[in-house]
Amino acid sequence: AQTVTQSQPEMSVQEAETVTLSCTYDTSENNYYLFWYKQPPSRQMILVIRQEAYKQQNATENRFSVNFQKAAKSFSLKISDSQLGDTAMYFCAFPGTSGTYKYIFGTGTRLKVLA
Amino acid sequence: DTGVSQNPRHKITKRGQNVTFRCDPISEHNRLYWYRQTLGQGPEFLTYFQNEAQLEKSRLLSDRFSAERPKGSFSTLEIQRTEQGDSAMYLCASSRGTGGSYEQYFGPGTRLTVT
Repeated sequence: AQTVTQSQPEMSVQEAETVTLSCTYDTSENNYYLFWYKQPPSRQMILVIRQEAYKQQNATENRFSVNFQKAAKSFSLKISDSQLGDTAMYFCAFPGTSGTYKYIFGTGTRLKVLA
Repeated sequence: DTGVSQNPRHKITKRGQNVTFRCDPISEHNRLYWYRQTLGQGPEFLTYFQNEAQLEKSRLLSDRFSAERPKGSFSTLEIQRTEQGDSAMYLCASSRGTGGSYEQYFGPGTRLTVT
């Protein structure tokens, strides 16, 4: 079965510091996408960053970047220069079997940025 | 692009009652998804539509649950004879149907409390 695992239920980081959230997944697919979503308290989920599995280059979006290790099936999110607004639940998501497009989510990491 | 909207945002009902939720996707998106999220967990896939066709249903979607998407526009999710275990956040998401990164755009969710 395809699974997504986030092993860090909670993390905290000082403002302006860097934090890395981990995610591992399991699939037999070769071409797929991976996503990190952010869910702020009482607000809707928004996309942070996506990675295409056939691209070796790690994706970057401003202060957010990923470390994608396809062979290890690892997809970690690095947040640089953490800001108070980064406080949220972060979910790693994987579209599962090609063609269905439904997301399989990890259990999430609750990140708190401390002033 | 006004985003995905969901109504109502909150619903409190007594056990045994029927409830219906509505989702309005982004207008040009032909795929629509329903997920359920319980406290402290990642969203779990319930069902998805491509246009008006319901293409996949999770085993989580018992006989008491039904979803429709008439004319491939808005969607409704109905729960009959609600149980306390149905208490959760129900999330709707939509995406473009062809190619791309399969990015899903999420609504704010409907929080259901069954008493």
